[in-house]
Amino acid sequence: DADVTQTPRNRITKTGKRIMLECSQTKGHDRMYWYRQDPGLGLQLIYYSFDVKDINKGEISDGYSVSRQAQAKFSLSLESAIPNQTALYFCATSDLANEQFFGPGTRLTVL
Amino acid sequence: GESVGLHLPTLSVQEGDNSIINCAYSNSASDYFIWYKQESGKGPQFIIDIRSNMDKRQGQRVTVLLNKTVKHLSLQIAATQPGDSAVYFCAATNVRYIFGTGTRLKVLA
Repeated sequence: DADVTQTPRNRITKTGKRIMLECSQTKGHDRMYWYRQDPGLGLQLIYYSFDVKDINKGEISDGYSVSRQAQAKFSLSLESAIPNQTALYFCATSDLANEQFFGPGTRLTVL
Repeated sequence: GESVGLHLPTLSVQEGDNSIINCAYSNSASDYFIWYKQESGKGPQFIIDIRSNMDKRQGQRVTVLLNKTVKHLSLQIAATQPGDSAVYFCAATNVRYIFGTGTRLKVLA
């Protein structure tokens, strides 16, 4: 079984809709991250969490919110989706200052 | 702000040859560096890492070199195989991870 799972894997939605992307991990890591990836750009950090009650903004947090419901779960919400949020979204986990383990990604299209 | 850049967007290599992928970072406080491989439709996979107290680290067919003086990182893949075809990118971190844009490695038969 995969250590980091993301649901859904693909989603097409319309402008103005609320969308939630889910991430679960079985690695037992405290740190979790949400990134977006656009063609020709490096991974950009949206939000990160170092513990259940800890939420931190990344480089591009506007238009997004997150919830860390438990150590193993970190969800990303788009309150009112817009077309320029069309991208590939990755969840990742890490143990202190070590390598990040990535999920398989969610491809989101906002029409 | 901080940045991590890769020198070539695409690299084509003959099967069996060695590949070298380069990366430059801007933050001299970065103390941990990682190379990832990303295949189409998949999430990034860890290849090899190196901490700032080292200059070189070797894995199976891969070697990472770190030059802190010029803030440069390279990934060497020995005897490149078709399965090595993917996008490779580096990441540098002090607190946050900063990712490069990636070099697409194409292995020619």
